[in-house]
Amino acid sequence: NAGVTQTPKFRVLKTGQSMTLLCAQDMNHEYMYWYRQDPGMGLRLIHYSVGEGTTAKGEVPDGYNVSRLKKQNFLLGLESAAPSQTSVYFCASSYDGVTVHNEQFFGPGTRLTVL
Amino acid sequence: LAKTTQPISMDSYEGQEVNITCSHNNIATNDYITWYQQFPSQGPRFIIQGYKTKVTNEVASLFIPADRKSSTLSLPRVSLSDTAVYYCLVGDRTGGFKTIFGAGTRLFVKA
Repeated sequence: NAGVTQTPKFRVLKTGQSMTLLCAQDMNHEYMYWYRQDPGMGLRLIHYSVGEGTTAKGEVPDGYNVSRLKKQNFLLGLESAAPSQTSVYFCASSYDGVTVHNEQFFGPGTRLTVL
Repeated sequence: LAKTTQPISMDSYEGQEVNITCSHNNIATNDYITWYQQFPSQGPRFIIQGYKTKVTNEVASLFIPADRKSSTLSLPRVSLSDTAVYYCLVGDRTGGFKTIFGAGTRLFVKA
């Protein structure tokens, strides 16, 4: 099993450009999350999904959109990138919201730079 | 979501036991306490989770007093490879334990 994978690993954008980050998991997890991590900081939740076709806002959703058309994929979109969105983006997934010990499994991250 | 407070950084030496305490005064009845570890350039990794008293696994122990307003992650006999950032999270099952990570505790293990 590959676990959680993220595409791409690195990306450089110019201000105003758009892009989509792809997260895929092969563990049949119901829940998926997108976080951003700025240098020296903890992770902040952008959006999350509790199942296929559902999405919800996290702590810092502005400037981002997400879609969960397939259970195994969670897409994060930036419609008009800004320098403030320069960060490392992590995707995670977890089995469900009922099972105790419901740990989140994280992907390797995408390093995004907006010039 | 309950807020957590941890020390910003800690130093230790190889072979020592390290205890990292997390304060969560506003923990709710349904909240669980979860700890994650993050190495540079990697995503966080689950270490341990508990609700009350003591939990132990092959990696660490988690001590939770009766009032649950704090918790202590104990790492026995640390090695250089335990140098990482450790996050304490408090949350319930809603949203798959959707929680706030915070800045975490940077642990430096020296030879």
